[in-house]
Amino acid sequence: GESVGLHLPTLSVQEGDNSIINCAYSNSASDYFIWYKQESGKGPQFIIDIRSNMDKRQGQRVTVLLNKTVKHLSLQIAATQPGDSAVYFCAENMVPNSGGSNYKLTFGKGTLLTVNP
Amino acid sequence: AAGVIQSPRHLIKEKRETATLKCYPIPRHDTVYWYQQGPGQDPQFLISFYEKMQSDKGSIPDRFSAQQFSDYHSELNMSSLELGDSALYFCASSPYSYNSPLHFGNGTRLTVT
Repeated sequence: GESVGLHLPTLSVQEGDNSIINCAYSNSASDYFIWYKQESGKGPQFIIDIRSNMDKRQGQRVTVLLNKTVKHLSLQIAATQPGDSAVYFCAENMVPNSGGSNYKLTFGKGTLLTVNP
Repeated sequence: AAGVIQSPRHLIKEKRETATLKCYPIPRHDTVYWYQQGPGQDPQFLISFYEKMQSDKGSIPDRFSAQQFSDYHSELNMSSLELGDSALYFCASSPYSYNSPLHFGNGTRLTVT
């Protein structure tokens, strides 16, 4: 569905703590999910992705968990650092119609992560 | 590593004017996407191209048009600009491979006065 909102959910953590950012996605047919990080004045930056045939995937300091039963996605950041401060978006890839592009990424509502030193 | 290049970075136009935004994808990426992001909002899909053909269309106004050229760069043309068109416009590129991530440029900030 469409996201509406001038007020971003926010998460404030202390440096060194672990962060968990949650996202509810809309389409049970979506089969590919991506987390993006967006810093002020920059474009979304790819963090990690996961396919629907997996329920967990780990990267460097980040873990994505996928719960298809409740259409929920989470991003865990270990040992959060001040440089992690940004807006985080989850995005789902809707299965394309025949002849359509391989992508029609729909972004969820972002979460503003603030890391306090 | 080469990234998606967008120009200009900032653009100020008056109502009813036209604007052209340019996007240069990552080398060997043949698919380009345009997104619009209003203040405090998530990016909204506008349109995409694969091999110079429009491949999908989102919430793009009829006043806007776009194309992809033979060198794979893309341009978004916006006419009869309205105050509500003020936003960040992002271009992203990917290889045509299902389930490979989009890589975004740093956007063009359009301000309509």
